Amino acid sequence: AQSVTQLDSQVPVFEEAPVELRCNYSSSVSVYLFWYVQYPNQGLQLLLKYLSGSTLVKGINGFEAEFNKSQTSFHLRKPSVHISDTAEYFCAVSEMNTGFQKLVFGTGTRLLVSP
Amino acid sequence: GAVVSQHPSWVICKSGTSVKIECRSLDFQATTMFWYRQFPKQSLMLMATSNEGSKATYEQGVEKDKFLINHASLTLSTLTVTSAHPEDSSFYICSARFGTGPPSANPGANVLTFGAGSRLTVL
Repeated sequence: AQSVTQLDSQVPVFEEAPVELRCNYSSSVSVYLFWYVQYPNQGLQLLLKYLSGSTLVKGINGFEAEFNKSQTSFHLRKPSVHISDTAEYFCAVSEMNTGFQKLVFGTGTRLLVSP
Repeated sequence: GAVVSQHPSWVICKSGTSVKIECRSLDFQATTMFWYRQFPKQSLMLMATSNEGSKATYEQGVEKDKFLINHASLTLSTLTVTSAHPEDSSFYICSARFGTGPPSANPGANVLTFGAGSRLTVL
C-alpha cells in the first residue's frame, strides 16, 4: 500500500520569500502524484499533478513541483509567496494500477505567509 | 471546467437523528464518486467509493450501516449519516472523477474534482 509523508506540519514564511513544501511517498508500484490546496472551510483545489513525462510540473498560482523517483519525493515550490497563499497544502498519491480510484493524502502542511 | 457541488455546506443536528449530504457533478457525468472524512487539522481519509447503479465500496473500518451511500444517477451521490452521534461530527468531502480510461491517456481530464465540503456538527 502507498503512503505519503509531509514532514512539516506548518511552514511560516514572509511575503515575497521563496517556499518549499516537502512531500515523500512510499509505494511498491509506479504512482501518480498530486498537490492540492485547501482554504478554510472549503474543499480541495488541484494545484498540479504528475502523470508522466517531464519531472518538473508547473501548476496554478505560480507553484511548481519536481518528481524525483530515486528519492521518492514530490516537493512543492514557489519562488515568491503572497499573503493569499496562506492555506493548507496536501500531497497525494495514487497507484497507477488503480488509476484515480484511490487517492492517499499526506497529513498536510499549513503555509502561513506574513507581511 | 468540472464542478462538484455539495449540499448542505454545514449542518447541525441532534444526537440520534440522520443527516443526508448530497454531492452533485454539475456539468459532467460521474460514474464514480468518492467520499472523504476530515477531522480538524488532519488529512482526508477515504471512506467509500460510490458507484452509479451498484453498491458502494467501503474502506476498512468504515461502518456501511452507519454511513449509507446511494449513487442513483450519474450526477448525484448521497451520504446519509444514520443515528448521528457527537463523534460523527466532522468535515465530509466528496469528489468525482471527470473522464474515463487510464489517466495518462488523457492528461487534461481524469482528474478528481472535489466539492466544497459539508461540516456536520452533532449536538
